Amino acid sequence: EDKVVQSPLSLVVHEGDTVTLNCSYEVTNFRSLLWYKQEKKAPTFLFMLTSSGIEKKSGRLSSILDKKELSSILNITATQTGDSAIYLCAVEIASGSRLTFGEGTQLTVNP
Amino acid sequence: NAGVTQTPKFRVLKTGQSMTLLCAQDMNHEYMYWYRQDPGMGLRLIHYSVGEGTTAKGEVPDGYNVSRLKKQNFLLGLESAAPSQTSVYFCASRGTGRTYEQYFGPGTRLTVT
Repeated sequence: EDKVVQSPLSLVVHEGDTVTLNCSYEVTNFRSLLWYKQEKKAPTFLFMLTSSGIEKKSGRLSSILDKKELSSILNITATQTGDSAIYLCAVEIASGSRLTFGEGTQLTVNP
Repeated sequence: NAGVTQTPKFRVLKTGQSMTLLCAQDMNHEYMYWYRQDPGMGLRLIHYSVGEGTTAKGEVPDGYNVSRLKKQNFLLGLESAAPSQTSVYFCASRGTGRTYEQYFGPGTRLTVT
């Protein structure tokens, strides 16, 4: 059975801190790993990672995939209160175009 | 370009009642999905469709049915609602190709009493 595990499940930091969120997976026939940010409503797309070792970056957010370790990290530097959200990791397998989601990490950034 | 829309936004049902949730997308996407989200459990796939006229079961299909009669619409039905189906339901769609991500609708909050 495909499995995606995120850690920590929740995290509280102060503005300006740097955070690292983790995602590990056990799936057959890996195709890609995706990160989403979910505030009040629908998840919004952050990154899609398919190749090991290549960092994707968007402003203060960055992510990298390690296919050897079957894991990915999402880094957020100089956090702001607007970064408070649930961060979801999902893995796509090659057949069926389905995503398996982790439980999510609830990040709270306090002023 | 509205993206992915869901109807209704909120609904309260009594146990045993039935209802249909509608998802519509205007991006000409082949793939469509229904998820449910419960606290601390991420998103779990209920059913999905890889094209018009096709449907397939996801992780948690029991108690739900779906139909994809038109490419732009994906309907999720609850035949006899149960309190365990209280959840937030998200629809998503995706184009074909390696670099497409899933786009999500705004969600439907369903309470079954």
